[in-house]
Amino acid sequence: DVKVTQSSRYLVKRTGEKVFLECVQDMDHENMFWYRQDPGLGLRLIYFSYDVKMKEKGDIPEGYSVSREKKERFSLILESASTNQTSMYLCASLLAGGPVREQFFGPGTRLTVL
Amino acid sequence: GENVEQHPSTLSVQEGDSAVIKCTYSDSASNYFPWYKQELGKRPQLIIDIRSNVGEKKDQRIAVTLNKTAKHFSLHITETQPEDSAVYFCAAPDMDSNYQLIWGAGTKLIIKP
Repeated sequence: DVKVTQSSRYLVKRTGEKVFLECVQDMDHENMFWYRQDPGLGLRLIYFSYDVKMKEKGDIPEGYSVSREKKERFSLILESASTNQTSMYLCASLLAGGPVREQFFGPGTRLTVL
Repeated sequence: GENVEQHPSTLSVQEGDSAVIKCTYSDSASNYFPWYKQELGKRPQLIIDIRSNVGEKKDQRIAVTLNKTAKHFSLHITETQPEDSAVYFCAAPDMDSNYQLIWGAGTKLIIKP
């Protein structure tokens, strides 16, 4: 059973703070994703990683960076948090090359930036 | 690149009735169409998917149909129950990427008792 965990369910930060969101998966998946979920906008991809130290920008990378130093861990970094980054953040992982392309999601982190 | 549109944004049906959610896509090369369900406060989970070589797929009360000519696919839920209340997302692959999905905006399904 794939398990994807995120470091916090709820987080409150102040404008200008550096924020770290961590995601860990235990199924040796090569691909990991960070999404942002806002009502009426669906799931928007922030960054994607297909291997350790490899990353690709998604649709809305501005204001974010990522780190993938180990295969099981994918971190999202808000360099200087702003109020418009208040949102639900979802991490997901995916096995590369398999017949099923199911993305497995973490429980989400609801971030509020004051 | 791929664009996915999903309708309606909110759907309210009487318990026991059927619900249909529709998505259209733009890239005719797309070949895989998943549906995810997100219950309130929970993570999205895959409930059914279809590949482009199949026109319909069923799993108990849910089914997905695909019309490649018209470039649309639909989720059908029959005999709806309270536990079907959730937000449903459709998606299609970004054919410029190996593993990325382009997501619809989501449909909030409300089952009225």
